[in-house]
Amino acid sequence: QVQLQQSGAELVKPGSSVKMSCKASGYTFTSYYIYWIKQRPGQGLEWIGRIGPGSGDTNYNEKFKGKATFTVDKSSSTAYMQLSSLTPEDTAVYYCQTRFAYWGQGTLVTVSS
Amino acid sequence: DVVMTQTPPSLSVAIGQSVSISCKSSQSLVHSDGKTYLNWLLQNPGQSPKRLIYQVSNLGSGVPDRFSGTGSEKDFTLKISRVEAEDLGVYHCVQATHVPHTFGAGTKLELK
Repeated sequence: QVQLQQSGAELVKPGSSVKMSCKASGYTFTSYYIYWIKQRPGQGLEWIGRIGPGSGDTNYNEKFKGKATFTVDKSSSTAYMQLSSLTPEDTAVYYCQTRFAYWGQGTLVTVSS
Repeated sequence: DVVMTQTPPSLSVAIGQSVSISCKSSQSLVHSDGKTYLNWLLQNPGQSPKRLIYQVSNLGSGVPDRFSGTGSEKDFTLKISRVEAEDLGVYHCVQATHVPHTFGAGTKLELK
């Protein structure tokens, strides 16, 4: 069955960067976009962007350009998202998902000094 | 960006009751391929979202037929017949026709 397994929670300092992972299994990794979604505590969902694992093509929400960077490792069927220049407003759960049908369990990033 | 206006923000229901949630978009969601990429998601407390409905009215895998989606162009509705306890949580509409994909603000379904 399709699964997306995300990396664990992160506590990071303001101004630093964090890189999280999303390991896919149960389907052909290169066939479908991986999407990244942000959810701040008690808030709604926000589309950060997507990456096509086969082509490496990316689309970013304008709001997250310069903040988020997507990469993939096809050999391990893993997608990555790096967030840079972190501020408290980046404190959130970050989800990876594909086709809206399959979601990871989320990675909690807490930005605090 | 396409703005998704979802109403109501919250609903208080009794088990067995039927409810509807509305989602209106600021632009037509008909894609150039002729399909309409409007999805409904349910996020149970503390859980990841799960897909209920895709392309307006298609039931996701394993989703009970108590859920149904209707609508076209810019106006969409999710109906839940005979609410059960497992249906409680936050419902999100999301359009995937235009980039960036955009979400409604959510509707919280609670027990009366």
